[in-house]
Amino acid sequence: TQLLEQSPQFLSIQEGENLTVYCNSSSVFSSLQWYRQEPGEGPVLLVTVVTGGEVKKLKRLTFQFGDARKDSSLHITAAQPGDTGLYLCAGAQGFNKFYFGSGTKLNVKP
Amino acid sequence: GAGVSQSPSNKVTEKGKDVELRCDPISGHTALYWYRQSLGQGLEFLIYFQGNSAPDKSGLPSDRFSAERTGGSVSTLTIQRTQQEDSAVYLCASSPHTTEAFFGQGTRLTVV
Repeated sequence: TQLLEQSPQFLSIQEGENLTVYCNSSSVFSSLQWYRQEPGEGPVLLVTVVTGGEVKKLKRLTFQFGDARKDSSLHITAAQPGDTGLYLCAGAQGFNKFYFGSGTKLNVKP
Repeated sequence: GAGVSQSPSNKVTEKGKDVELRCDPISGHTALYWYRQSLGQGLEFLIYFQGNSAPDKSGLPSDRFSAERTGGSVSTLTIQRTQQEDSAVYLCASSPHTTEAFFGQGTRLTVV
């Protein structure tokens, strides 16, 4: 079983639409990261959130860490084809050990 | 180098053969992870090294899988008697004393 569950698993939308990806767990994490992976590459870090209730914005991407530090969401406004990829959340418990979610595969059609 | 380096980038092997996958982490990173990824899906944790501590091997799927990290730097993942279900992309990541993992580009293993 996965410690972190992501939903939806797959998402196909038109350019310009908004979307939200969820990352949920019954466990508490000291921090949570979001990564994006493109085909043939390793995942690349987008953001780290560490405080319950924290909201971070990165251009059209908004990341939120749940108050209880068990869940997180990633919201993309006005999606673009360049946003296409696999989005992974990862939670850290203790010093440096990460647990990854199952991923959300996003396809943004022009 | 500037990033995590993995070799080979691609490996095709016959069923039953042994393979070794190599990871050169970023210099100074004390933590090193191996993950397996099938068909662009999520990451399956295999093993975790942190400094001189005993590695966390809880994710290794069978005793055919083993890994070592020499001198706190380079790591080798060995798969003995490979099976077709071992075909996947094997990703290595290293981490400093922060909450961020840096990944290599992976080794695509195909067992035929």
